[in-house]
Amino acid sequence: RKEVEQDPGPFNVPEGATVAFNCTYSNSASQSFFWYRQDCRKEPKLLMSVYSSGNEDGRFTAQLNRASQYISLLIRDSKLSDSATYLCVVNSEGGKLIFGQGTELSVKP
Amino acid sequence: EPEVTQTPSHQVTQMGQEVILRCVPISNHLYFYWYRQILGQKVEFLVSFYNNEISEKSEIFDDQFSVERPDGSNFTLKIRSTKLEDSAMYFCASRRLLASVQETQYFGPGTRLLVL
Repeated sequence: RKEVEQDPGPFNVPEGATVAFNCTYSNSASQSFFWYRQDCRKEPKLLMSVYSSGNEDGRFTAQLNRASQYISLLIRDSKLSDSATYLCVVNSEGGKLIFGQGTELSVKP
Repeated sequence: EPEVTQTPSHQVTQMGQEVILRCVPISNHLYFYWYRQILGQKVEFLVSFYNNEISEKSEIFDDQFSVERPDGSNFTLKIRSTKLEDSAMYFCASRRLLASVQETQYFGPGTRLLVL
């Protein structure tokens, strides 16, 4: 089983749509979880941390289910500028980040 | 806003040559990392560095690789004898402290290495 697994997509959605990404992780001892965004040929940039209670930042909502080892990201009212690859990332005990393959999102006018 | 910087942005080299990739982490950060991303693949951890020594390394980080913090600001990755399969984007990252499990890592813009 992969350490961090995501649906690679691509997700093609119209502007204004709501889109949800899912991610599972294999190490039940993992403590920190993040969603990063990566634009083509650029560095990963932190979108948001994911907390056990769930958290929201504007149009973005992240959820964590520790029992199922499942993380989600919901984007509401999607914009053209949301087009990117979304990376599910888990922080191991030693501090290294373990990345999923990424889910590609394309928002069309 | 402080940021991680990397040089060069692109490097083309011949197989068997040595390359040094340079990074300047954010100034008050204590933990430094190198990751790589082969085209079309996921980002992979290479090595972490703290207090002037390697704290963890992956299977990828074999004897051909080394890291160094030669002065108070630079953090370098050296590949002694490059192979074709070393062609990738190499990202440097830094983090402020380990105590907080939510502390995130900040990535530099990367060096695109092409081995011919």
